[in-house]
Amino acid sequence: GNSVTQMEGPVTLSEEAFLTINCTYTATGYPSLFWYVQYPGEGLQLLLKATKADDKGSNKGFEATYRKETTSFHLEKGSVQVSDSAVYFCALSGPNNDMRFGAGTRLTVKP
Amino acid sequence: SAVISQKPSRDICQRGTSLTIQCQVDSQVTMMFWYRQQPGQSLTLIATANQGSEATYESGFVIDKFPISRPNLTFSTLTVSNMSPEDSSIYLCSGSFGGSTDTQYFGPGTRLTVL
Repeated sequence: GNSVTQMEGPVTLSEEAFLTINCTYTATGYPSLFWYVQYPGEGLQLLLKATKADDKGSNKGFEATYRKETTSFHLEKGSVQVSDSAVYFCALSGPNNDMRFGAGTRLTVKP
Repeated sequence: SAVISQKPSRDICQRGTSLTIQCQVDSQVTMMFWYRQQPGQSLTLIATANQGSEATYESGFVIDKFPISRPNLTFSTLTVSNMSPEDSSIYLCSGSFGGSTDTQYFGPGTRLTVL
């Protein structure tokens, strides 16, 4: 079945450092791919999405490119801020309405 | 997008009791889902809430333990029945507007502790 493998962390960075969180997937067909963010004590918020191969999703300085050849959807940000500290989840949604989530990566950004 | 609210936001319950969680969406959504997030873990899909019919449960989840209702396109409830400490989790509902690969919007979650 569909599944997502995500770099688990935790990840600790200094402010203005470069961020990469790796995500790979296994799926039949052509799933949409998502990154969600969960701030402390809150629900999940959609960060970005991509619906087909080579699409790049972007939001708030974060980017991820749907790479079908490597089955990957890595999250990147060029310069992180303290306010980016959160848990990040990679997810995919397949044709059976089943959204599968990665394990989540806790990011802490220190000033 | 959709704004989703859940009630209660948290509760502490005794073993053997049941709790019903409400999920309200500010607009009509095609699909609604219920997830469980155990402490420090990822999200696991419990079931798809179908309007006017029985929910569709994922492997490992059964209707007797997690009865779900969805009387209309903006509201759903999840009941956690005959609770045990292993049911202590965050329960989240989500909704999407259509298409099986569409974005899901999440509620803030209900944090349940079972003593």
